[in-house]
Amino acid sequence: KQEVTQIPAALSVPEGENLVLNCSFTDSAIYNLQWFRQDPGKGLTSLLLIQSSQREQTSGRLNASLDKSSGRSTLYIAASQPGDSATYLCAVRPPNFGNEKLTFGTGTRLTIIP
Amino acid sequence: EAQVTQNPRYLITVTGKKLTVTCSQNMNHEYMSWYRQDPGLGLRQIYYSMNVEVTDKGDVPEGYKVSRKEKRNFPLILESPSPNQTSLYFCASSTRDRFTDTQYFGPGTRLTVL
Repeated sequence: KQEVTQIPAALSVPEGENLVLNCSFTDSAIYNLQWFRQDPGKGLTSLLLIQSSQREQTSGRLNASLDKSSGRSTLYIAASQPGDSATYLCAVRPPNFGNEKLTFGTGTRLTIIP
Repeated sequence: EAQVTQNPRYLITVTGKKLTVTCSQNMNHEYMSWYRQDPGLGLRQIYYSMNVEVTDKGDVPEGYKVSRKEKRNFPLILESPSPNQTSLYFCASSTRDRFTDTQYFGPGTRLTVL
């Protein structure tokens, strides 16, 4: 059974710093990996999607990498801003296309200190 | 505006009183899912649907029912709620091909079962 872990559970950094969030998964047979952002009292917003054949994806100040063989993904946030404060979750999808199952990590709660 | 709506947003009920949480999407998506989010456990998938009249169990289906009679609606039914179903519930929809997999989440329903 796939298990997804995100460490640390919480992280505080000063504004302007670059930071890395980690995501580990136990079964390397995945179809894709996604990063989401969750703001308090709200649903999730999709940030980046990496297909299993890809190594990284970029969107603005965000860069997500994927190392399938080691079961790891990282989300890099450049020049952090207070508006980046949120909980970040990663999720993996199993390899057979059409399978709607999605396994989430427990998230990292990020606080950017002004 | 593309969106997933859930109703109600907040609900307090008592053990055994049947309830339904509605979910509706206006994006003509084939795929819809229900998740529950609990502290320390993250998001866990309850049920999912790949199209009208096609549903399947996720990781934690016990105590829940779903139906997909129309493409836009995917209600979650708790026939006899129990206190361990107190949680934050999210509905999500998506349309997928081999290159895109964007999940759209509703704002969440906070359920308390006394």
